[in-house]
Amino acid sequence: GESVGLHLPTLSVQEGDNSIINCAYSNSASDYFIWYKQESGKGPQFIIDIRSNMDKRQGQRVTVLLNKTVKHLSLQIAATQPGDSAVYFCAETDSWGKLQFGAGTQVVVTP
Amino acid sequence: KAGVTQTPRYLIKTRGQQVTLSCSPISGHRSVSWYQQTPGQGLQFLFEYFSETQRNKGNFPGRFSGRQFSNSRSEMNVSTLELGDSALYLCASSLAGNMNTEAFFGQGTRLTVV
Repeated sequence: GESVGLHLPTLSVQEGDNSIINCAYSNSASDYFIWYKQESGKGPQFIIDIRSNMDKRQGQRVTVLLNKTVKHLSLQIAATQPGDSAVYFCAETDSWGKLQFGAGTQVVVTP
Repeated sequence: KAGVTQTPRYLIKTRGQQVTLSCSPISGHRSVSWYQQTPGQGLQFLFEYFSETQRNKGNFPGRFSGRQFSNSRSEMNVSTLELGDSALYLCASSLAGNMNTEAFFGQGTRLTVV
C-alpha cells in the first residue's frame, strides 16, 4: 500500500476540458479516502474526501468516485483551469492519523 | 486562523549530524503527523502524536523520533544523518486524528544532507 513514486505520471489537459485522475489503492481495510493537491514549494492541500460507505461525492468543480470492488478511486475536475496545475495525490487510511499516499499524478493545464 | 507552521523551512546538515524539526499545529488541533517526501519514495508516514502520546508509527529506523508537547506542538529528530535522509519533511495537524478528520499540512522543511 505504500506509494512508490518513481516516475510521476503526467496528465496534460487543455484549459476548459474535464480532467480525470485515477488511483488504485491496496488496503481493503481503508475506510476513508482523500484527494490532495500539491503545488510546487507547498504542502499538500485538501481537495475532497469520501468514506467507504459512499461511492460518489461532489464538491465545487470536483467529484470523487470510489469503487471498492476493484479498489479504485478517481478525481474528476470540471472545466480545468491553469490554477489546477499541480501534483494530485490520493490517500487512504485505516488507522489513527496515518495516511497512505499514492504515487501522485502531475496535471499540466495547457491554454 | 493560522495554518500549520513548520520551522525551519530549509536546512543543510552534514552526514552524521542530528537535526530537530518543529511543527506548530493549527490552534485547537491535538493530532500531529509527520511525513517524509522524496522523489523516489513519495510521501511516507513517519509517526503520529495525539495528546503527547505516539499513537502510530511508520516503517522508519529508530534514528527517526518525535515528541509532542502539552500545547500540541511537535518536534521530530533525526540522529546520525545519512545522505538518503535528504527530503521534504511535512507535518499535518487535525482535530483528533480520527480516520475521518481532515488533515492540514504545513509547507514542510526541506532537509539536505551533504
